Amino acid sequence: NAGVTQTPKFQVLKTGQSMTLQCAQDMNHEYMSWYRQDPGMGLRLIHYSVGAGITDQGEVPNGYNVSRSTTEDFPLRLLSAAPSQTSVYFCASSYRGDNQPQHFGDGTRLSIL
Amino acid sequence: GQQLNQSPQSMFIQEGEDVSMNCTSSSIFNTWLWYKQDPGEGPVLLIALYKAGELTSNGRLTAQFGITRKDSFLNISASIPSDVGIYFCAPPAYSGAGSYQLTFGKGTKLSVIP
Repeated sequence: NAGVTQTPKFQVLKTGQSMTLQCAQDMNHEYMSWYRQDPGMGLRLIHYSVGAGITDQGEVPNGYNVSRSTTEDFPLRLLSAAPSQTSVYFCASSYRGDNQPQHFGDGTRLSIL
Repeated sequence: GQQLNQSPQSMFIQEGEDVSMNCTSSSIFNTWLWYKQDPGEGPVLLIALYKAGELTSNGRLTAQFGITRKDSFLNISASIPSDVGIYFCAPPAYSGAGSYQLTFGKGTKLSVIP
């Protein structure tokens, strides 16, 4: 049981490049989400999904796209990377409902030059 | 949106000391969650609180759900070096269509001096 798996763990991009951060979970969770964490900040929600084919925006969605074609996978796309998107990105999953704890991956550390 | 104030922002304590931190909000929540993030890793759930006034323990950790439902407290007794990390409060907020979003506080960074 791998839990939530994020790839890659580290990435350096040049401004304007595109990239997809991968997230997969093997717990059959309906709810998946992406957060970014910047120094001195908590985690801020980028996008989330309550099930396959359904996505919605979080607090900081600009510059990011998502899709949810399967229950297991929830990739995050940067279409044209900007230095302001340098951050640590976390994917999380859970069953639906407010009493369901979210399980986090170990993060992707992204630097944009 | 919800405003979460988590304090203190950071703490330096001696090994063996007790630790207290809290989280306050301008909004009412039905659930309070506390997560810990070890350096270089993702957050891990420590304690979940589901009822106002509830006091819940997990080993040396004790958390309370405030009576007003706008605050929560986390205490760590007899701290040890592996308690080092960032502690986040993260109450879920209803976002429609049966889904909930976590709003994270900015965290309390704990350093333990051996």
